[in-house]
Amino acid sequence: DTAVSQTPKYLVTQMGNDKSIKCEQNLGHDTMYWYKQDSKKFLKIMFSYNNKELIINETVPNRFSPKSPDKAHLNLHINSLELGDSAVYFCASSQGGGGTGAFFGQGTRLTVV
Amino acid sequence: QQQVKQSPQSLIVQKGGISIINCAYENTAFDYFPWYQQFPGKGPALLIAIRPDVSEKKEGRFTISFNKSAKQFSLHIMDSQPGDSATYFCAASIRDSNYQLIWGAGTKLIIKP
Repeated sequence: DTAVSQTPKYLVTQMGNDKSIKCEQNLGHDTMYWYKQDSKKFLKIMFSYNNKELIINETVPNRFSPKSPDKAHLNLHINSLELGDSAVYFCASSQGGGGTGAFFGQGTRLTVV
Repeated sequence: QQQVKQSPQSLIVQKGGISIINCAYENTAFDYFPWYQQFPGKGPALLIAIRPDVSEKKEGRFTISFNKSAKQFSLHIMDSQPGDSATYFCAASIRDSNYQLIWGAGTKLIIKP
């Protein structure tokens, strides 16, 4: 059983398009996250979300928006894609804010051409 | 003050040797220090974690050493194996920030056969 799964694994799209990445966790965790990992492997948190609070990293452009239909899902919508958005995006989940460890999905490699 | 500084950026160790990765932090409010292991094409996976009330934690060949007064913690991999080749991230979190993880920049570890 995959604990945190995200789809698609690869996404190639043109500049200006709108795309979504889906994430689901079956761990019963109450907090989910989106991370961006650049070519230098640096991990940058974009959002953390539980049923009470959405915390947005202020450096994330408002073209990026999280959508949570329920506790087990946190999707990432990206509008007007730019070349600089090319990266690997990871979904993760934890119980609470990560003080007992966060579990990551396998990542979505987004390439904007 | 929120940063976690990780070194070295890359490390090459002979098979059977000891791999040591170091992290330093400034914020004394940090109370949870995990290490994550990431293989190419995969998401980071929690490897081992420590809280500041202990100076060392060992799980198999992996040991975290924690020096509260120096505000440093390190990962030691004993009898390093080629299968340990991966990128390693240290992180830290603060209870008051809902345990959101602050990440080090990562260390690419290569174990030479």
